Amino acid sequence: DSGVTQTPKHLITATGQRVTLRCSPRSGDLSVYWYQQSLDQGLQFLIQYYNGEERAKGNILERFSAQQFPDLHSELNLSSLELGDSALYFCASTRSSGANVLTFGAGSRLTVL
Amino acid sequence: SQQGEEDPQALSIQEGENATMNCSYKTSINNLQWYRQNSGRGLVHLILIRSNEREKHSGRLRVTLDTSKKSSSLLITASRAADTASYFCATDAGVNTGFQKLVFGTGTRLLVSP
Repeated sequence: DSGVTQTPKHLITATGQRVTLRCSPRSGDLSVYWYQQSLDQGLQFLIQYYNGEERAKGNILERFSAQQFPDLHSELNLSSLELGDSALYFCASTRSSGANVLTFGAGSRLTVL
Repeated sequence: SQQGEEDPQALSIQEGENATMNCSYKTSINNLQWYRQNSGRGLVHLILIRSNEREKHSGRLRVTLDTSKKSSSLLITASRAADTASYFCATDAGVNTGFQKLVFGTGTRLLVSP
């Protein structure tokens, strides 16, 4: 157990739907990162939050949004889902925004039918 | 686009042999990291090497870094079946920006057969 908790572990939904993925960072970590891993795109950085504020943005679609709450948990919202959004979504956390080593959660596997 | 590209994409060896994976990247970095991912699971940090270091060891792992060639290699010695996993290099793409955007390569799938 890495200390980073992601829910749900698996999610199956239909095109056009909206889902929310949740991440609780490791105790004491202030920064949360979201990554998408699909077979054809590898591991893509989506977005980073530090202590509630957005710090870095990657290849995140406009249909996707995220936020980090005062208790430091984070949610990734995916809307108007398409087949191509099927992927593993990972959350990772670090102590600070400049910390080097990421601790990953087990991931949320999203399947869009 | 990916910052790092691993080579080879896949590697199959026998237990006891050494496995070498290479990573090339495009821009200046503060550090380079290697992570391991067992099938469908979260990534686990293995080792970090800073831009001013040339070689680092951790147990059966040896990492080298050549900043002039923008490349790194990961050597796993005396491999075991339990080493079967995907291995990713990752570089920080936020040099001098005060924050870290860790960008991962495409990964090398290692299969170690008993």
